[in-house]
Amino acid sequence: AQKVTQAQTEISVVEKEDVTLDCVYETRDTTYYLFWYKQPPSGELVFLIRRNSFDEQNEISGRYSWNFQKSTSSFNFTITASQVVDSAVYFCALSEALSGNTPLVFGKGTRLSVIA
Amino acid sequence: EPEVTQTPSHQVTQMGQEVILRCVPISNHLYFYWYRQILGQKVEFLVSFYNNEISEKSEIFDDQFSVERPDGSNFTLKIRSTKLEDSAMYFCASSEGWGAEQFFGPGTRLTVL
Repeated sequence: AQKVTQAQTEISVVEKEDVTLDCVYETRDTTYYLFWYKQPPSGELVFLIRRNSFDEQNEISGRYSWNFQKSTSSFNFTITASQVVDSAVYFCALSEALSGNTPLVFGKGTRLSVIA
Repeated sequence: EPEVTQTPSHQVTQMGQEVILRCVPISNHLYFYWYRQILGQKVEFLVSFYNNEISEKSEIFDDQFSVERPDGSNFTLKIRSTKLEDSAMYFCASSEGWGAEQFFGPGTRLTVL
């Protein structure tokens, strides 16, 4: 069965620090997709990144970077030089190709607080 | 930029009443979803919809729930007889294809009294 674990429930950092949010997943499928979503205090879910299981290249987008390692079933998210606006709950999610319509299975989320 | 919209933003209802939550997915998307998030908890999948029929549903999506795409733009979630434990944020999402990123609406906060 598919499962996403975000072991860090809450993280607090001081502005400009780097922070890494961990995500470990379980799946029986060889074809799957991994996602990160941001949920700011306003409550909406904002898509950040999608990665398929065949693409292990790390990705950088501005201050955001993602490290996908199939060997450890991890898809970690790093924010460099954090800012107060990064304060949010961040969810990692997985969908399997076997599911056909690929519903997302979410982790429990990591609440990030960036203090000025 | 196209976005998923949801109405109402907040719905308060009495236990046992029926509610209909409405969503307008992104226009060229083909896959539609409903998720819910009980306050402070993770986001949970309810149902997915493709080609005018349910393609997958979770154990949460029991006989009290139904979905419909009554016209070319709206996608609705109906709860027939609400219970206190149905209080949650309900998110609609859509995607353009299989395995593609799902874009979420702003959510409807349902409060059952």
